[in-house]
Amino acid sequence: NAGVTQTPKFRILKIGQSMTLQCTQDMNHNYMYWYRQDPGMGLKLIYYSVGAGITDKGEVPNGYNVSRSTTEDFPLRLELAAPSQTSVYFCASTRDRVYADTQYFGPGTRLTVL
Amino acid sequence: AQKITQTQPGMFVQEKEAVTLDCTYDTSDQSYGLFWYKQPSSGEMIFLIYQGSYDEQNATEGRYSLNFQKARKSANLVISASQLGDSAMYFCAMRTLGDYGQNFVFGPGTRLSVLP
Repeated sequence: NAGVTQTPKFRILKIGQSMTLQCTQDMNHNYMYWYRQDPGMGLKLIYYSVGAGITDKGEVPNGYNVSRSTTEDFPLRLELAAPSQTSVYFCASTRDRVYADTQYFGPGTRLTVL
Repeated sequence: AQKITQTQPGMFVQEKEAVTLDCTYDTSDQSYGLFWYKQPSSGEMIFLIYQGSYDEQNATEGRYSLNFQKARKSANLVISASQLGDSAMYFCAMRTLGDYGQNFVFGPGTRLSVLP
């Protein structure tokens, strides 16, 4: 199993540009998450999904959109990039709504908006 | 509301010594899981150890152990025989079965530096 994969690993955007961060997991996990991590800080939840076709906002959803058309994929869309969106973005997944299930993280995407 | 507190922004430990990283949590749920993750300078998040709220024994995974004190709502990570490779950020996290049960709550992290 590849686990959770994210592309790209690095990206530089200009203000106002848009992009999609890709996330794929091959563990058949129902729950998927997008976090952002600002320098020296913890993780903040952007969006999450409990299954294909079902998504919901987390703590910091403004400026982002998500979709979940398949169990495997959970892309994060940035519209009109702003410098405040400079961060490292992590995708994660967990099998089910069982409190014992840990999250599996992707390697992260480092995004810089100039 | 669910909350994780890590009061130590940074910690130093001498190589081969043991170190305890503090974590306290707040939840009204009876069923919950507590997790510790390591984030080295390379940036990936690595799962270390898990403790369930009903587990009577403290969890152990190699050099990692979790000092679980349920009445005090604390879940401290103990690393024995520290190694230089243990230098990293460490995050405590919690998951519950309530309405918030689909999500994990993370603490702000503790940066551990192991000195040679």
